[in-house]
Amino acid sequence: ETGVTQTPRHLVMGMTNKKSLKCEQHLGHNAMYWYKQSAKKPLELMFVYSLEERVENNSVPSRFSPECPNSSHLFLHLHTLQPEDSALYLCASSLGAGAYNEQFFGPGTRLTVL
Amino acid sequence: QKEVEQNSGPLSVPEGAIASLNCTYSDRGSQSFFWYRQYSGKSPELIMFIYSNGDKEDGRFTAQLNKASQYVSLLIRDSQPSDSATYLCAVGGGSSNTGNQFYFGTGTSLTVIP
Repeated sequence: ETGVTQTPRHLVMGMTNKKSLKCEQHLGHNAMYWYKQSAKKPLELMFVYSLEERVENNSVPSRFSPECPNSSHLFLHLHTLQPEDSALYLCASSLGAGAYNEQFFGPGTRLTVL
Repeated sequence: QKEVEQNSGPLSVPEGAIASLNCTYSDRGSQSFFWYRQYSGKSPELIMFIYSNGDKEDGRFTAQLNKASQYVSLLIRDSQPSDSATYLCAVGGGSSNTGNQFYFGTGTSLTVIP
């Protein structure tokens, strides 16, 4: 265990559903990240939060909506997803934001959109 | 042009040999470099990071960085079957205004043959 937990671990949803992914870190870190990992593609950084403030948003479709209520919790709200959104969604945390911070990943949520 | 490039492999080495994994990146302003190991069905696990030109050693692992050539490598000495995994190269900072961008390669699959 890395100190970063994610729930649920697996999620199957229809295109009209609304669901949320949850991430919690127990490392005392101040920065949290959402990544998408699709088969045969590199990890894609979606959002970065530092001290609950969004500091990076990589042109992610609005059907993905992040929320960071405090430095230990991060959510990804999903609505009206498409089948191509099926992927492994990984949460990570680091001591601070910025390039010189090692990131520690959670186990991921395997999302399937039907 | 891909931000971070790695040979996808598979790379096969006999047990006890040295495994050499390579990564090139396109953004000359990149500041930080990370190697992650990802077992099948698991999330990435940080192995090493390097920020300055030269070599950095940690146990059986050595990271090498050459910013002039935009090249970073990971050497694994005395390879063990448990080292069989996909190795992800990640690059941070760069030309991003915020310094919060991280780019990953698609990974190199390593198999250590007993």
